[in-house]
Amino acid sequence: DQQVKQNSPSLSVQEGRISILNCDYTNSMFDYFLWYKKYPAEGPTFLISISSIKDKNEDGRFTVFLNKSAKHLSLHIVPSQPGDSAVYFCAASVVLISNFGNEKLTFGTGTRLTIIP
Amino acid sequence: DTGVSQDPRHKITKRGQNVTFRCDPISEHNRLYWYRQTLGQGPEFLTYFQNEAQLEKSRLLSDRFSAERPKGSFSTLEIQRTEQGDSAMYLCASSLSSRHNEQFFGPGTRLTVL
Repeated sequence: DQQVKQNSPSLSVQEGRISILNCDYTNSMFDYFLWYKKYPAEGPTFLISISSIKDKNEDGRFTVFLNKSAKHLSLHIVPSQPGDSAVYFCAASVVLISNFGNEKLTFGTGTRLTIIP
Repeated sequence: DTGVSQDPRHKITKRGQNVTFRCDPISEHNRLYWYRQTLGQGPEFLTYFQNEAQLEKSRLLSDRFSAERPKGSFSTLEIQRTEQGDSAMYLCASSLSSRHNEQFFGPGTRLTVL
């Protein structure tokens, strides 16, 4: 049961253009969403997050959009740079006071982004 | 370097052997998570500690797996009687209770069971 889906295993984008990575989720209880970036032989690195009370969050070249009705989020990278080449994971969690603080992340399968110089 | 560290980075073992991995979280982080990642998949939640208390275990964590976090600092994950299906990357992450969900991951321990 894949609750977080990234349907594009790979994406290639020209340097300087916009990269758009997509993510869909099925669990309507999810209320916090994150994007992580992963290089080979390293652990995932936090990029940007968004709460379900917002529809957009921006941090420098990275913007995350959330469409709750469609259960869809996307990560936009503008402009794309060669160093952005990595695997990008979408993750979701439920923030519950009663959960003893366990905000375990449910990850998608990742999208490999390649920036072409 | 004050990030999350994991040891060893790689472990090759024979089926049936026991292995133990260590995670040192960021020092002020009270929450610690273990995840497992297999090829082509995202990380999957295994277990969660708040300080020294283990508060949730995934059904992925069979009775051959045990995790501890004595004194609420470093954590160990032990796998007894390893099977080939245990081959994976084991990731540790830590976070602060005041910062929702921003988990910081270590580099992982890659386990290969022959």
